[in-house]
Amino acid sequence: KNQVEQSPQSLIILEGKNCTLQCNYTVSPFSNLRWYKQDTGRGPVSLTIMTFSENTKSNGRYTATLDADTKQSSLHITASQLSDSASYICVVSASDEKLTFGTGTRLTIIP
Amino acid sequence: EPEVTQTPSHQVTQMGQEVILRCVPISNHLYFYWYRQILGQKVEFLVSFYNNEISEKSEIFDDQFSVERPDGSNFTLKIRSTKLEDSAMYFCASSDQGNQPQHFGDGTRLSIL
Repeated sequence: KNQVEQSPQSLIILEGKNCTLQCNYTVSPFSNLRWYKQDTGRGPVSLTIMTFSENTKSNGRYTATLDADTKQSSLHITASQLSDSASYICVVSASDEKLTFGTGTRLTIIP
Repeated sequence: EPEVTQTPSHQVTQMGQEVILRCVPISNHLYFYWYRQILGQKVEFLVSFYNNEISEKSEIFDDQFSVERPDGSNFTLKIRSTKLEDSAMYFCASSDQGNQPQHFGDGTRLSIL
């Protein structure tokens, strides 16, 4: 069964600090991996999308990595801001385009 | 920036009634999706729709559910004979290609009483 596991479940950090969120997946056949940010009460917003051949992709202060061999991905947030407080969801797409969502990491930035 | 819009934002319905959730995808997008998120749980795929037909559906999407694109702009999810466990946030999404980032609406919160 296709699964996506994320850690930690929740994280609290001080404004200005960096953090890294983890994602492990067992989705086959793999097509791509996406990171989404979901603010409370809003729909998910795409941050990055990475295919099998991509190891790193950046979007501003967000940098995602992908190791397709170990089936792991990370999302690194640099110089966190209060507006970064949200749930971050790892989503893996199989070749049939079905998306498998992780349960998310709830990130809270405190001043 | 173009957005996916969903209406209503909150729907309260008696158990056993039918509901229709409405979505207006981004205008040049061709692929449409419905997802649900039960409170405190992860987002779950329901169905994908392309070229006026369902392309994929999950085991959740049984005969109780149906989707329709009644005109060139709307994409609807109908839930017949609603049950208490249908209470959830329902998200619509669209993309211009099958494996491109999907743009999500802000969801409809469905509450079944």
